[in-house]
Amino acid sequence: QVQLQESGPGLVKPSETLSLTCTVSGGSISGYYWSWIRQPPGKGLEWIGYIYYSGNTDYNPSLKSRVTISGDTSKNHLSLKLTSVSAADTAVYYCARHRSGGSFEYWGQGTLVTVSS
Amino acid sequence: DIQMTQSPSSLSASVGDRVTITCRASQSISNYLNWYQQKPGEAPKLLIYVASGLQSGVPSRFSGSGSGTDFTLSISSLQPEDFTTYYCQQTYSTPYTFGQGTNLEIK
Repeated sequence: QVQLQESGPGLVKPSETLSLTCTVSGGSISGYYWSWIRQPPGKGLEWIGYIYYSGNTDYNPSLKSRVTISGDTSKNHLSLKLTSVSAADTAVYYCARHRSGGSFEYWGQGTLVTVSS
Repeated sequence: DIQMTQSPSSLSASVGDRVTITCRASQSISNYLNWYQQKPGEAPKLLIYVASGLQSGVPSRFSGSGSGTDFTLSISSLQPEDFTTYYCQQTYSTPYTFGQGTNLEIK
């Protein structure tokens, strides 16, 4: 069974960089698309971007200037970096694996990141 | 960006009822429409993919239909564990976008 686990600092200061890792177990990151999604407290879901295991990426234009998604097949994990954060970036951040048609079949449990001084 | 609009935003129903949630896309998305269920404090769970495909392990009381711009999620014979929030999502083109959510409440 594929499992995803997000990890990283739960508190980030304004203007700094948010860095998260998604560790995948029970399967390889190779051969799949992987997305990051976020959800502000009490609000809806926002797609951040995806990476194909080969390194191809696509980002939400609303975040594109600040986002980098990368993957490490040797460590079987994905990374998310979001620069110049503000309070508006406070959210639960999820990673997810795509299935055919682009839907998100497997999700991590999510990690709450709060942006505050 | 393709806008996804769900209706209703909230819905009250009773155990055993049949309910339908609608999702409308701002342009045609063929059948690239997915439905998720999210319980408080949990990650979303995929229910339906490409409009009508039932994800493995999801009870058969969940069904999806539609194509183009109009889609529905139906739940026949509601169970207590079904009272939570549902989201639609289009994966026809990036940026992938979600509906605002439908909160299904027990009457």
